[in-house]
Amino acid sequence: GAVVSQHPSWVICKSGTSVKIECRSLDFQATTMFWYRQFPKQSLMLMATSNEGSKATYEQGVEKDKFLINHASLTLSTLTVTSAHPEDSSFYICSAREQKWPTGELFFGEGSRLTVL
Amino acid sequence: GEDVEQSLFLSVREGDSSVINCTYTDSSSTYLYWYKQEPGAGLQLLTYIFSNMDMKQDQRLTVLLNKKDKHLSLRIADTQTGDSAIYFCAEMQDTGANNLFFGTGTRLTVIP
Repeated sequence: GAVVSQHPSWVICKSGTSVKIECRSLDFQATTMFWYRQFPKQSLMLMATSNEGSKATYEQGVEKDKFLINHASLTLSTLTVTSAHPEDSSFYICSAREQKWPTGELFFGEGSRLTVL
Repeated sequence: GEDVEQSLFLSVREGDSSVINCTYTDSSSTYLYWYKQEPGAGLQLLTYIFSNMDMKQDQRLTVLLNKKDKHLSLRIADTQTGDSAIYFCAEMQDTGANNLFFGTGTRLTVIP
C-alpha cells in the first residue's frame, strides 16, 4: 500500500525556536496533503490543506504565521512551527491523498511528537 | 458544522465481539471510514464504506451504516489483544476538498 513518511518522529526544542516537520509520499504523487494536530487523548483536528504549488488553506482558528506550510513538490509538504511555545507541544500528523484513488482515501504518516520546553 | 461523535471507551474480553458506534450529522457524507491508532503511532485505515451501502464485511471487520439515522458501527469479531487501540470514524463530504472529519475516537481495551 501507499506509504507516507514523516520526519522527525520526535523533536524537543526550546521555547522561541522554530521546528520543521516533513511529510513525504514515498511511492505516489500527492497533489493534496493535510496537516492534523492531535492533543493527548483527543481526536485529530485538521489544521490546513496543503496544495502543491499554491498557498495552503488554513482552518478557522489556525494561525498562518505560526504554522507555515510549504508544498513545494508532489511528494513533499513541510510544516514549520515558528517561535514555538509550550502550548504548541502536540502530536502532528500529515496525510496525503493518492491522485488515482477515486475514493479519496488518505494515507497517514506516523506522526511527529513535538515537545517545547 | 460537522459533528462526528463516538463513545470514548469500550472494554471487551478476548474472543468476544466488539462493536464501536459512531454518529454523524452531515447528510452529504459520501464515504465513511474507520481508522485504527495504536499508541504513539499514526492512523491506519481499516475499512471504508460508500454512503449508498448499508453493510461491508472484510474478514473480522463488519461495517454497518444506517444512513437514515446517520449511524455507523464497526464490529470486530473474535477480538484479540492486538486490537487494543483507539478507533476513529471519519466522514468525507461531497464538498470537493476531500478532507476528513474525525470523531472523538473510542479507546478499545481487550482484556485477556
